[in-house]
Amino acid sequence: TQLLEQSPQFLSIQEGENLTVYCNSSSVFSSLQWYRQEPGEGPVLLVTVVTGGEVKKLKRLTFQFGDARKDSSLHITAAQPGDTGLYLCAGVKGGKLIFGQGTELSVKP
Amino acid sequence: EAEVAQSPRYKITEKSQAVAFWCDPISGHATLYWYRQILGQGPELLVQFQDESVVDDSQLPKDRFSAERLKGVDSTLKIQPAELGDSAMYLCASSFGSGRNSPLHFGNGTRLTVT
Repeated sequence: TQLLEQSPQFLSIQEGENLTVYCNSSSVFSSLQWYRQEPGEGPVLLVTVVTGGEVKKLKRLTFQFGDARKDSSLHITAAQPGDTGLYLCAGVKGGKLIFGQGTELSVKP
Repeated sequence: EAEVAQSPRYKITEKSQAVAFWCDPISGHATLYWYRQILGQGPELLVQFQDESVVDDSQLPKDRFSAERLKGVDSTLKIQPAELGDSAMYLCASSFGSGRNSPLHFGNGTRLTVT
């Protein structure tokens, strides 16, 4: 059983569309991180959210941490082919970083 | 920007053979992690070092896997003997600290194929 459940697991969309990726848990995390991973490379940190209800924006990406610090979402506006990759959420609990299983995003031109 | 270095990039080995992976973290990063990632899934922590000491190896299959970080800098992960199910990407990461404000910096991994 995954401590962090991501949905959807796979997403294929056309360039210009909007999308939201969800990261859910029944556990409380002290913080939550989002990473993006391209094929053959390691994950790269996009953002860390710490406070319940926090919203952070990174260009076309908007990250939100749930009020109860159990869930998070990533919203991408006007997706581009360069956004293609594996999006991973990871929660810090008890000093450990625990990853979700990832959302594989494909943006077609 | 400083990077986490890993080698080799790819490794193909036959089952029952021994394999070793090397990682050089970002200079000054006290915490080093080895993760295993099966294709299309999230990374799973195998072992975490704080300087030269192991702080978490609860998910490391100790009958066949070993990890060391003798001088608290670079690290080696070994598998002996390798099994077919060990085929995966092995990622090394480092961080300045180990708390929530210490993001992980990942290397590009070693892709292991066991035949």
